[in-house]
Amino acid sequence: EPEVTQTPSHQVTQMGQEVILRCVPISNHLYFYWYRQILGQKVEFLVSFYNNEISEKSEIFDDQFSVERPDGSNFTLKIRSTKLEDSAMYFCANRAGPTQYFGPGTRLTVL
Amino acid sequence: KQEVTQIPAALSVPEGENLVLNCSFTDSAIYNLQWFRQDPGKGLTSLLLIQSSQREQTSGRLNASLDKSSGRSTLYIAASQPGDSATYLCAQGNTGFQKLVFGTGTRLLVSP
Repeated sequence: EPEVTQTPSHQVTQMGQEVILRCVPISNHLYFYWYRQILGQKVEFLVSFYNNEISEKSEIFDDQFSVERPDGSNFTLKIRSTKLEDSAMYFCANRAGPTQYFGPGTRLTVL
Repeated sequence: KQEVTQIPAALSVPEGENLVLNCSFTDSAIYNLQWFRQDPGKGLTSLLLIQSSQREQTSGRLNASLDKSSGRSTLYIAASQPGDSATYLCAQGNTGFQKLVFGTGTRLLVSP
C-alpha cells in the first residue's frame, strides 16, 4: 500500500504557541487532506487542498489554521496560537484515485 | 447535517466466528464509502472502498456491501482471528473533492 508519512509523531506545546505539522505525501497523489481526532471522538475533516489552494474547509478550520506546500512536496498544517482544545491526533491523507491513504498521525498535546 | 453511524459500538467474539459490522449514512449524495481499520494510537489503514455504482467489494476474508437506497453499508469478516482486533471505521465520501465523513467506529475484540 502507498505510504504517507508525518512528522513529528508527537508534539507537546504550550497554549498560545505556534505549531507546524508536516506530511510527506505519496508521489503524484495531488489531493491532500487534513483530519483530526480528539481522544475518544470521531475523525473530523479539517481541510482539503488541490492545485495549491484550499478546495474545501470545515467550520473547525478557522483563521488560526493554515495549510501550504512550501516546497512543492511536503504538505503542512500550521496552527498559529494553540488552544487546549486543539489537543488531538492530526492525520494527513492523500489520494490520486478514489482511495484516501492516511498517514500515521501526529499527536498534538497542548498544555 | 450529514451523519454516519455505526453499530454496534463494540463487539466481542470468539476466534473463528463470522461477523457483520454495520454503517448507516444519511446523505444520498454519496460518491463512495471507505472502510478503515484503526489500531490503538495508530493511523487509519484503508481496507475496502466501494464506489456508489457498485454493490460490493471483496478483499481476502473481508466483504463490504453498499445499499444506497437504504443508506447502509456492511463489512463482513469471515473466520475472525485475534489479529482482527481493532476499531473499524466507515467513512462516506461525497462528490466534489471527496472529503470523508466518518462514523464513530466499532471496536472489535476477537478472543483466542
